[in-house]
Amino acid sequence: QQQVKQSPQSLIVQKGGISIINCAYENTAFDYFPWYQQFPGKGPALLIAIRPDVSEKKEGRFTISFNKSAKQFSLHIMDSQPGDSATYFCAASTSGAQKLVFGQGTRLTINP
Amino acid sequence: GAVVSQHPSRVICKSGTSVKIECRSLDFQATTMFWYRQFPKKSLMLMATSNEGSKATYEQGVEKDKFLINHASLTLSTLTVTSAHPEDSSFYICSAPTSGRTDTQYFGPGTRLTVL
Repeated sequence: QQQVKQSPQSLIVQKGGISIINCAYENTAFDYFPWYQQFPGKGPALLIAIRPDVSEKKEGRFTISFNKSAKQFSLHIMDSQPGDSATYFCAASTSGAQKLVFGQGTRLTINP
Repeated sequence: GAVVSQHPSRVICKSGTSVKIECRSLDFQATTMFWYRQFPKKSLMLMATSNEGSKATYEQGVEKDKFLINHASLTLSTLTVTSAHPEDSSFYICSAPTSGRTDTQYFGPGTRLTVL
């Protein structure tokens, strides 16, 4: 019940395209859903986060869509760029200050 | 966003020795910090929760006597890998949450530990 399942494991998108990564969870007590971006040899960097009181949140080219009834949330990267090539992790917690449960990660490659 | 630092960024040690990794919240206070371990091409695995002024809480399967955690102040937590072995080689990352309604967790840059 503590798991967060992330897909796909890897994703290749052409420059300018839309990258979509999906996550699903079981624990209905989760109320904080962040996405992190990680480059090789670096720590994860917070990209965008959402709480269940909204169904969508947009920051620049990054959008989180949240479906509470389906217990799913997704990250959309619009106009994907080669610099977006990284590993992306979704996560969930019962609040931002509590321990995060991470998805398995998605290795995103943007082809020029 | 808030800044979390780690030191050292990279350490190589001999088998049997102990290594200390520091995690600092630079511009905010953190009563709680988290320590993660990450294997190559894998997700982050939570090892323990570091609590300022009290004992750390370890996740199931993590040896508390091997991975000593001390939360010395509101801005500093340390992870000591005792009697290190080659299988302890990994990428260790800490995180610290800010507090309040917009509480958010920020991660350090990570420490690459190699045990020879």
